[in-house]
Amino acid sequence: IAGITQAPTSQILAAGRRMTLRCTQDMRHNAMYWYRQDLGLGLRLIHYSNTAGTTGKGEVPDGYSVSRANTDDFPLTLASAVPSQTSVYFCASSDSSGQLPDTQYFGPGTRLTVL
Amino acid sequence: SQQGEEDPQALSIQEGENATMNCSYKTSINNLQWYRQNSGRGLVHLILIRSNEREKHSGRLRVTLDTSKKSSSLLITASRAADTASYFCATAARGSSNTGKLIFGQGTTLQVKP
Repeated sequence: IAGITQAPTSQILAAGRRMTLRCTQDMRHNAMYWYRQDLGLGLRLIHYSNTAGTTGKGEVPDGYSVSRANTDDFPLTLASAVPSQTSVYFCASSDSSGQLPDTQYFGPGTRLTVL
Repeated sequence: SQQGEEDPQALSIQEGENATMNCSYKTSINNLQWYRQNSGRGLVHLILIRSNEREKHSGRLRVTLDTSKKSSSLLITASRAADTASYFCATAARGSSNTGKLIFGQGTTLQVKP
């Protein structure tokens, strides 16, 4: 069982380019999340999905979009990358109906640099 | 805005000593969780304490919660070099609009010297 996998591990991207960060979980968790982690700011929620077919905005959603076509996958897309999106991105999942948050399981992260 | 604020930002101790980290938050919560992050890795859940609990133990970890002061502490006893990591508190806010989401503090970086 892999848990949560993220791809790529790291990426250097030119500003203005489109980029999709992939996230897949094999735990059949209904809820999934995307965070960015920046030095001194901790983790901030970008988007989340409580169940397949639904998504919601987190604290810092601007410039990012997500989709949840099935239970396992939750890709994060940067339509036109900007340098301020340079960060480490973490995907997480939880076995929660959304009524009461439960333990979140994190992927290994994607380190993204936008030049 | 961050829900959790952690103190201290950095802590350096000798192996065998106890480490205490504190977390304060702003709004009513359903539960508070502590996570650990090793350098270059994802976060790993350590312990969850519900709003109606005051203290919880797990191995060498002890967590307290004071909802009247909106604060929590994480105590690691008899620390080991392998405990070197960053520790984050995360709160699950009370209220339907916040269900399913955690808000993380900025973290405490713990260094345990052998």
